[in-house]
Amino acid sequence: EAQVTQNPRYLITVTGKKLTVTCSQNMNHEYMSWYRQDPGLGLRQIYYSMNVEVTDKGDVPEGYKVSRKEKRNFPLILESPSPNQTSLYFCASSLGAERGTEAFFGQGTRLTVV
Amino acid sequence: GNSVTQMEGPVTLSEEAFLTINCTYTATGYPSLFWYVQYPGEGLQLLLKATKADDKGSNKGFEATYRKETTSFHLEKGSVQVSDSAVYFCAFYTGGFKTIFGAGTRLFVKA
Repeated sequence: EAQVTQNPRYLITVTGKKLTVTCSQNMNHEYMSWYRQDPGLGLRQIYYSMNVEVTDKGDVPEGYKVSRKEKRNFPLILESPSPNQTSLYFCASSLGAERGTEAFFGQGTRLTVV
Repeated sequence: GNSVTQMEGPVTLSEEAFLTINCTYTATGYPSLFWYVQYPGEGLQLLLKATKADDKGSNKGFEATYRKETTSFHLEKGSVQVSDSAVYFCAFYTGGFKTIFGAGTRLFVKA
């Protein structure tokens, strides 16, 4: 089954404790992206990757890091989480960035930073 | 700059009622337009899309028409069901590896 898998689904952590949210897709997609979803703000792009070893900042990259060492995986790293990073996070992938290309989303990771 | 404005929710309807969720966009260039749906506890999934002016996207009884002159992409369904309760996101893509999403509209359908 074609899917994007994120782990964990839920995470509560303390300020400053490094964490990683994993994302994996089995569709051989080149393009992957991370979003955060906050009430009233919709989805905002954090980082994206066009292919292995190629990543770039989205709209809200501060406090986040990513890596793309393999095509299927695109982990999101919070080196020193803060309470304002409490949010719902989604990983997405697509075949490319061409016009009309559909994005496939993971089920989300609800992160709480206390 | 690029943005999407969609009607605020929540929208509460009775089963079999007519649904309209308004969406307008401000974009540089000529975007592709999408509606995504998010069911409780799940990620977003594509509901329908349109890639050029006057195209109509449709799926599961939902429809939306790409209106370039009014920069709109309103979502409609003639008869909603309880199972349509979800959050609906209007979005567009203009290239540059970025999809712009609206804030989302939550729909509740009562039996």
